[in-house]
Amino acid sequence: AQSVTQLDSHVSVSEGTPVLLRCNYSSSYSPSLFWYVQHPNKGLQLLLKYTSAATLVKGINGFEAEFKKSETSFHLTKPSAHMSDAAEYFCVVSGGPTGNQFYFGTGTSLTVIP
Amino acid sequence: DGGITQSPKYLFRKEGQNVTLSCEQNLNHDAMYWYRQDPGQGLRLIYYSQIVNDFQKGDIAEGYSVSREKKESFPLTVTSAQKNPTAFYLCASSISSGGFSYEQYFGPGTRLTVT
Repeated sequence: AQSVTQLDSHVSVSEGTPVLLRCNYSSSYSPSLFWYVQHPNKGLQLLLKYTSAATLVKGINGFEAEFKKSETSFHLTKPSAHMSDAAEYFCVVSGGPTGNQFYFGTGTSLTVIP
Repeated sequence: DGGITQSPKYLFRKEGQNVTLSCEQNLNHDAMYWYRQDPGQGLRLIYYSQIVNDFQKGDIAEGYSVSREKKESFPLTVTSAQKNPTAFYLCASSISSGGFSYEQYFGPGTRLTVT
């Protein structure tokens, strides 16, 4: 079975400081992992994805994530937060017999303090 | 411009009425999905379709119905049997999996309020 745990429901950082959003996953298969961002009352936008290539994945807007199989983690980071980064972030694992079913974490709300 | 459109953005209905949410994509994707989002929760899968004229129930299908008569369209009907229909509904599409996982592209969502 696949599942995702986002370890923090809310994270606050000051503008210009690093961002760390934590995600642990569980999967009976070789997983694909994704991070999505959602601004208020909007759809989800893909930030980055891991699909068994390089373990350090670079995404849009300066975000990156590292797949660590031994720790079953896929944490999202950014060196320097910007005000526009304030949003809800979802970690997603997919895979399994039907291939493309997504399993979402409950989300992490990121606040950026000026 | 390729993408997914959902209409309307906001929808208000009286309790006991069925309502249909529209989802159209021009990405030529085979697979389409409907999710429900409630405050403080992740997205929950209602229905998905990997090919025209075929669809499967997701985790919370009760009180919902779908059709997939055309590749580009996947409308969702919220029936009067759905006990708590007020929510934000998101449609998504992807390349059909064939056993692999491809990213899903999301529409802007429809916020349904039932009173």
